[in-house]
Amino acid sequence: GQQLNQSPQSMFIQEGEDVSMNCTSSSIFNTWLWYKQDPGEGPVLLIALYKAGELTSNGRLTAQFGITRKDSFLNISASIPSDVGIYFCAGHSIQGAQKLVFGQGTRLTINP
Amino acid sequence: DSGVTQTPKHLITATGQRVTLRCSPRSGDLSVYWYQQSLDQGLQFLIQYYNGEERAKGNILERFSAQQFPDLHSELNLSSLELGDSALYFCASSGRGGFTGTDTQYFGPGTRLTVL
Repeated sequence: GQQLNQSPQSMFIQEGEDVSMNCTSSSIFNTWLWYKQDPGEGPVLLIALYKAGELTSNGRLTAQFGITRKDSFLNISASIPSDVGIYFCAGHSIQGAQKLVFGQGTRLTINP
Repeated sequence: DSGVTQTPKHLITATGQRVTLRCSPRSGDLSVYWYQQSLDQGLQFLIQYYNGEERAKGNILERFSAQQFPDLHSELNLSSLELGDSALYFCASSGRGGFTGTDTQYFGPGTRLTVL
């Protein structure tokens, strides 16, 4: 099946630092989505990307849809304690448009 | 609050039993998706319904089934439960503008199933 490679798997940073994570795929994707999941809760949509090259911001979060349509990154600037959680990339590939494929997640831990 | 509701929030049952999980989509959404998330795992797509009809199938076991009712709420039925079925089950919805295949999905809070 479709696979998304998300990295890093985990990050341990100091409050105030910037964060960067990315997802890559061997196949072309039509959409890229970034979700955040808090423990015991459902994923919450952060940013949705629909066009190659698209760069979108949501507050301190910025995400880009790669030109090759096979990758995306998410940046978080000036991290704060509430940024702690698991971040998932997800996307619809051209081979299975109805099925949203998820990365394995990046667990973000912030030291105050 | 995504607008997607799921009940119950927690469910504890024994092996061999059958349970039903319920999902109400966001107002106006026509598509409902079910996902399974095991401990420290990503989300695995199970099945999608659009306006009452099955639209796409993922890694759903034969012991599992789902349906979407005329009022658009959906139920996921899990039978002959095994220990390995313990997981978080999420429902998501999308498609206020109709089905496009790549609609943004909004997730409910999940049902935590524990099989003892």
